[in-house]
Amino acid sequence: DIQMTQSPSSLSASVRDRVTITCRASQNINNYLSWYQQKPGKAPKLLIYAASSLQSGVPSRFSGSGSGTDFTLTISSLQPEDFATYYCQQSYSTPRRTFGGGTKVEIK
Amino acid sequence: EVQLVESGGGLIQPGGSLRLSCAASGFTVSSNYMSWVRQAPGKGLEWVSVIYNSGATYYADSAKGRFTISRDNSKNTLYLQMNSLRAEDTAVYYCARDHYDDYGLPNWFDPWGQGTLVTVSS
Repeated sequence: DIQMTQSPSSLSASVRDRVTITCRASQNINNYLSWYQQKPGKAPKLLIYAASSLQSGVPSRFSGSGSGTDFTLTISSLQPEDFATYYCQQSYSTPRRTFGGGTKVEIK
Repeated sequence: EVQLVESGGGLIQPGGSLRLSCAASGFTVSSNYMSWVRQAPGKGLEWVSVIYNSGATYYADSAKGRFTISRDNSKNTLYLQMNSLRAEDTAVYYCARDHYDDYGLPNWFDPWGQGTLVTVSS
């Protein structure tokens, strides 16, 4: 199985901060990487697919980059509604896909 | 509007069975790939099963032999039949539309339903 490791597992940040979350795959997954945002008690929401493509309706302050084994999700200017948990997900081994452990973004 | 609404969760004893439903609106389930993804309390996300528009099905090792994914085209509804339930199956179960690429391979999940909680306990 392809393991996805996110870092950090949690972080504290202030509104308007630039935030970067890292996701590392245990093997090359090309660009088969998606990012989701999940707020407490809610379903995950797709933010980024194919490593860097922004899902329709998602604010442009979210961006994704990377290829191979190392990927990043960047929030250019953190907004109050962005405090949530973020997950990466690989689809290289589709249909059996795996998620990272999550990164919780909290208010400093 | 595209929407998914799960139901059927609840408290069940170990070894019992439960069938989850996911009613779709705004799109046709049978024309799409559909998945179940679960999340144990306070934990991360785990893909469980997918059904292709062709009817082909795939399962995570944790679900193989115990869970069955299916759909009812007339009701535009996805199902997950869960048998021989274990304490470790306790989770919120989400259904999600599965986006597939030009090669017919499923990639990302969008949208997701609100989830239904399954608790396996005596």
